[in-house]
Amino acid sequence: AQTVTQSQPEMSVQEAETVTLSCTYDTSESDYYLFWYKQPPSRQMILVIRQEAYKQQNATENRFSVNFQKAAKSFSLKISDSQLGDAAMYFCAYSRNRLTFGKGITLSVRP
Amino acid sequence: GAVVSQHPSRVICKSGTSVKIECRSLDFQATTMFWYRQFPKKSLMLMATSNEGSKATYEQGVEKDKFLINHASLTLSTLTVTSAHPEDSSFYICSAIVDSGYNEQFFGPGTRLTVL
Repeated sequence: AQTVTQSQPEMSVQEAETVTLSCTYDTSESDYYLFWYKQPPSRQMILVIRQEAYKQQNATENRFSVNFQKAAKSFSLKISDSQLGDAAMYFCAYSRNRLTFGKGITLSVRP
Repeated sequence: GAVVSQHPSRVICKSGTSVKIECRSLDFQATTMFWYRQFPKKSLMLMATSNEGSKATYEQGVEKDKFLINHASLTLSTLTVTSAHPEDSSFYICSAIVDSGYNEQFFGPGTRLTVL
């Protein structure tokens, strides 16, 4: 069975600084997708970024980028120029036919 | 595009009653929808996979007679919590797959159920 591990339950970052959220996963598959979702206090799940496993190039979306290391089964999220609105719970997720979520990490942003 | 709605957003009911939660894909057809349960500050737990026109597939440990799922059309799936008890109080979230080639799920805003 696939597992997703987010070992840090909480992190804090100063506004305008950069923060990296870590995620590792375990799978025997070679073709899959990886996602980072944001869940703000409203609890609406918002897709931040996605990565196809067959692509070597790391995905980027504006201030958000990933470091995808397929051999190491690592998928970290880097948030640059952190903003107060980035404060939320972030979930790393693995998908083939269904999503498997990590436990999540609560990110706080200090003004 | 790819908007998923849920109704109601909040519901309070008495123990022993049944509650129905609707999940709709507003601007696309969803052959597959998912139902999750989430406790405060915890991750999403998949309860079941709902396929249009067929029986739902439940995850291990989820009582299918307690959590009835119906996916009668390509835009609507319903979750009915039967004979609700206080331990069923939780946040329930649905999602639908968009056939974009990314296997991406779009999530509804969730329903907070409180059973008194």
